[in-house]
Amino acid sequence: DAGVTQSPTHLIKTRGQQVTLRCSPKSGHDTVSWYQQALGQGPQFIFQYYEEEERQRGNFPDRFSGHQFPNYSSELNVNALLLGDSALYLCASSKTRDSPNQPQHFGDGTRLSIL
Amino acid sequence: DAKTTQPNSMESNEEEPVHLPCNHSTISGTDYIHWYRQLPSQGPEYVIHGLTSNVNNRMASLAIAEDRKSSTLILHRATLRDAAVYYCIPDNNNDMRFGAGTRLTVKP
Repeated sequence: DAGVTQSPTHLIKTRGQQVTLRCSPKSGHDTVSWYQQALGQGPQFIFQYYEEEERQRGNFPDRFSGHQFPNYSSELNVNALLLGDSALYLCASSKTRDSPNQPQHFGDGTRLSIL
Repeated sequence: DAKTTQPNSMESNEEEPVHLPCNHSTISGTDYIHWYRQLPSQGPEYVIHGLTSNVNNRMASLAIAEDRKSSTLILHRATLRDAAVYYCIPDNNNDMRFGAGTRLTVKP
């Protein structure tokens, strides 16, 4: 049973560019959340997708957007990249958004470096 | 969102019990208390969660104070593989708000 898979594992971009990160949730999961983790800090919640809609959002600018597909996979898009966007981007999936009992399963992330 | 306070770091000897404390004095009545850990170069891993009663699973035990303003994660016998950053997260909506966590070092 495959867990959460993210691609690519590493990515290098330059300031001003745009990037798309991808996530496939654990089998049977329908909710996907995205987090940003700067070096030495805890993950910060970006947003959550359920039923192909953004249901919750953290304190991130509109440059950060996402999408969820009918097969529950998800993409995170970041426009106009800044040096400060350099971080590990984590995807987590869970079975049902409205069930607080359900633990989230995390992928190992995409390491994004901005030059 | 409930604020949490955890020690920045803790040390333990291998095969000894470890008690990781967390204060969450502003927790709401419907927030569950979740614990995750993050090993080096990996994404966070679910450890345990509870609402009011103490909880046990194969990885750890969770002791929740009667007033729910604090909790303690208990690793009964620490192994080298338990070296990680441990996060305590009060949450009800699955939009996990991680703090800085506690870095646990396990000495052989």
